[in-house]
Amino acid sequence: NAGVTQTPKFQVLKTGQSMTLQCAQDMNHNSMYWYRQDPGMGLRLIYYSASEGTTDKGEVPNGYNVSRLNKREFSLRLESAAPSQTSVYFCASSKGNIGGNEQYFGPGTRLTVT
Amino acid sequence: RKEVEQDPGPFNVPEGATVAFNCTYSNSASQSFFWYRQDCRKEPKLLMSVYSSGNEDGRFTAQLNRASQYISLLIRDSKLSDSATYLCVVNEAGSYQLTFGKGTKLSVIP
Repeated sequence: NAGVTQTPKFQVLKTGQSMTLQCAQDMNHNSMYWYRQDPGMGLRLIYYSASEGTTDKGEVPNGYNVSRLNKREFSLRLESAAPSQTSVYFCASSKGNIGGNEQYFGPGTRLTVT
Repeated sequence: RKEVEQDPGPFNVPEGATVAFNCTYSNSASQSFFWYRQDCRKEPKLLMSVYSSGNEDGRFTAQLNRASQYISLLIRDSKLSDSATYLCVVNEAGSYQLTFGKGTKLSVIP
């Protein structure tokens, strides 16, 4: 039981390049989330998917797109990377019960945009 | 923006000490409360949920005060392995989203 897995672990992009961060969970969770974490800013929600087939914007969605590929997988795409997107990206999942949402996190992707 | 406020620390305490962290939240509609632990360069991990009646898990005790909108975490008999950043987390009723505090850093010193 791997929990939440993310690929890649590290990535360096040049400004304007695109990439997709992959996330998968094997806990049969309904809801999945993408966060970014920056020094002094804490964790901020980018997008989430309450259930398969739905996605919604979080606090900082600009510059990102997401795809809930199936119940297990939720990807985050940067179409044209900018230095301001240098961050650590975490994927998380939860059972999806409103109001009782313990979330379980993947190990993160460290992204640097030069 | 809904806020969760924590003292960033750092709290530097000797092994065996008792240390307490507080956290305040602004949204009175908050329904679920958690403490997460995050080690340096690692992902946040759930430490414990916080219930209205308070709850204890070994050396860790969490309390919730809804009237004053604050949550506390008490760590007894601190171990070196308790060194980490502790995140206070709140879930608004009817929402899938969690709001994270920026964390309180704890260093336990030999």
